[in-house]
Amino acid sequence: SAVISQKPSRDICQRGTSLTIQCQVDSQVTMMFWYRQQPGQSLTLIATANQGSEATYESGFVIDKFPISRPNLTFSTLTVSNMSPEDSSIYLCSITAWDSSYEQYFGPGTRLTVT
Amino acid sequence: GEDVEQSLFLSVREGDSSVINCTYTDSSSTYLYWYKQEPGAGLQLLTYIFSNMDMKQDQRLTVLLNKKDKHLSLRIADTQTGDSAIYFCAGGGYQKVTFGTGTKLQVIP
Repeated sequence: SAVISQKPSRDICQRGTSLTIQCQVDSQVTMMFWYRQQPGQSLTLIATANQGSEATYESGFVIDKFPISRPNLTFSTLTVSNMSPEDSSIYLCSITAWDSSYEQYFGPGTRLTVT
Repeated sequence: GEDVEQSLFLSVREGDSSVINCTYTDSSSTYLYWYKQEPGAGLQLLTYIFSNMDMKQDQRLTVLLNKKDKHLSLRIADTQTGDSAIYFCAGGGYQKVTFGTGTKLQVIP
């Protein structure tokens, strides 16, 4: 399986600021996903990011709040904009394996705390 | 959309078998997954099963799928303290995966 890294691993941010999270994969992948895991909760899909096209957002998530870039087949960023304490979560990027579209793997996550 | 439900907590003694259960609503889910999340760590894909299968075994892990009842289970044989984690079942097709609420497994030495 691919190796997925995320930066930063954790951060504490002030209300009203923005944070950009980076996701790097060691191989080319078509599909990249961004999830949110709120404290003690399950994972919720924020958006799907394909290279060369606009990200597709799930219900309840909008581009102005969570802009996503996907400049190439190994990298993506998620920005959490104008943060509030409710944005405190773990943010995880995920990929589907190149040779088996149904195997989905996750990065280590970025733990965000908004004060 | 898909709803996936799990019991929240399971406690077993070391060496016993653990069975974690999951129910889902969307019968069109093509794949069903089990993930493990240890404290402070990301998600590890443990195993998955195609919706046209009834059972899959992988070393200490056995996945059973009852399509009629939309019920999925994960059995861990000879449970060890290192198996203590949160286990998520998830269902979906190509691209989109919906996660369950997670079951916290506590293994008592």
